[in-house]
Formats: sequence, C-alpha cells, structure tokens
Amino acid sequence: GEDVEQSLFLSVREGDSSVINCTYTDSSSTYLYWYKQEPGAGLQLLTYIFSNMDMKQDQRLTVLLNKKDKHLSLRIADTQTGDSAIYFCAEKGYSSASKIIFGSGTRLSIRP
Amino acid sequence: NAGVTQTPKFRVLKTGQSMTLLCAQDMNHEYMYWYRQDPGMGLRLIHYSVGEGTTAKGEVPDGYNVSRLKKQNFLLGLESAAPSQTSVYFCASSYGSGTGPADTQYFGPGTRLTVL
Repeated sequence: GEDVEQSLFLSVREGDSSVINCTYTDSSSTYLYWYKQEPGAGLQLLTYIFSNMDMKQDQRLTVLLNKKDKHLSLRIADTQTGDSAIYFCAEKGYSSASKIIFGSGTRLSIRP
Repeated sequence: NAGVTQTPKFRVLKTGQSMTLLCAQDMNHEYMYWYRQDPGMGLRLIHYSVGEGTTAKGEVPDGYNVSRLKKQNFLLGLESAAPSQTSVYFCASSYGSGTGPADTQYFGPGTRLTVL
C-alpha cells in the first residue's frame, strides 16, 4: 500500500534554515501536504502543493517536489523558536475515495 | 466558529471498560475521521464517515465502533478497552474527499487515552 516516510528528528540553530524531507510511494499522488503539530495540539495545515508543480513558496516556507524521485521537502527560512513542532508530510491519491496518508512526523527542535 | 472540538481531553480507563469519545464540528463538513497517533507511527485512520448516517473502516478499525447520527457529530466507541488502545485520538473533518485543497482536513485538539 501507500507509504510516506520521514526522519524522526531534526535539530537546527535559531536563524538557520531547516529542511525537512519526505519520500512517498504512491505515484498517483495529486496533493502533498505539510502539517504542523505543536505540543498538546492537533495538526494544522501549513501548506500544500499540487503534483504538477515542482515548487511553492509561501513567506518563510518553500516546498520542493521531485515527482520522479517521489521526494518532497519543506524548507523553513530563518528558523525561530516558535517553529519548534512536529511536521507531518502527507499525500493524497487521485481517486476521490483516497484518504490522506500521513508520515510519522519529524520533530524539529531549535538550538539557541 | 469553534472548528473541531473533542471531549474529553484526557481519560484513564481500566482494561475491559467502555467509553465514547465525542467529536463535533460546526463547519458543515460532510467528511469526518478518527485517527490514533502513536509515537513514531504518525496518524493511522481508524474509521471515517462520508456523510450523516454513513461510516467506513480505515486502516486500524478493530476494537472500535463509530456512529454518525448527526452531520456535526462523530462518535468513537471502545466497547472493551485494552492497553494497546492507549494513544492520542484525533478527530478531523473536511468539506469533501476530492482532490482540491479545499478538502483538506481540519483537526481537533486530541484526546489522550490511557488504558491500564
């Protein structure tokens, strides 16, 4: 079945850029998402990219999609302490019955 | 707009006890979902509903039942709780299940359940 994989942890220095990577297996993916989960809270949609795009920028966030390699990344520029959270990659297939498949999440921690 | 709310926020059960988790949404969404989140495993879909009166199994449905008697509510029941059901449970809703970003899922704050 479909699978989405991410590394579990990432530590970056405040002010540096963070890059969170994700790979997926479903070649029919239409939308790919990044969700953010802060401690004790539910998931919030950060950004998404349609599969016919290879890049999307939204303020400090840049999403890169390599459809050939089924690789998605989220870059956070000028990482701040408020960016500390778990980031989930997710994908949705073409079929309207498709459900969103989530990765296991990457915990981003910020060093002073 | 409260969005998606869940009750209770925390619960401790003994093995064999039953309970119901309530999810409510005020966005007039058709689709509702129940997930469980376990460390290092991301979110796994338990059951979902595509409209009032309908339910369907997700990835890990065993040991759970659901009901969607009203469009705004989606209930998750545990008939005989087991320690393996210790988890954080999230409810989500979406307008549809199509391929548009408008069909993205909105999540509740979660219910932390411990089964002893």
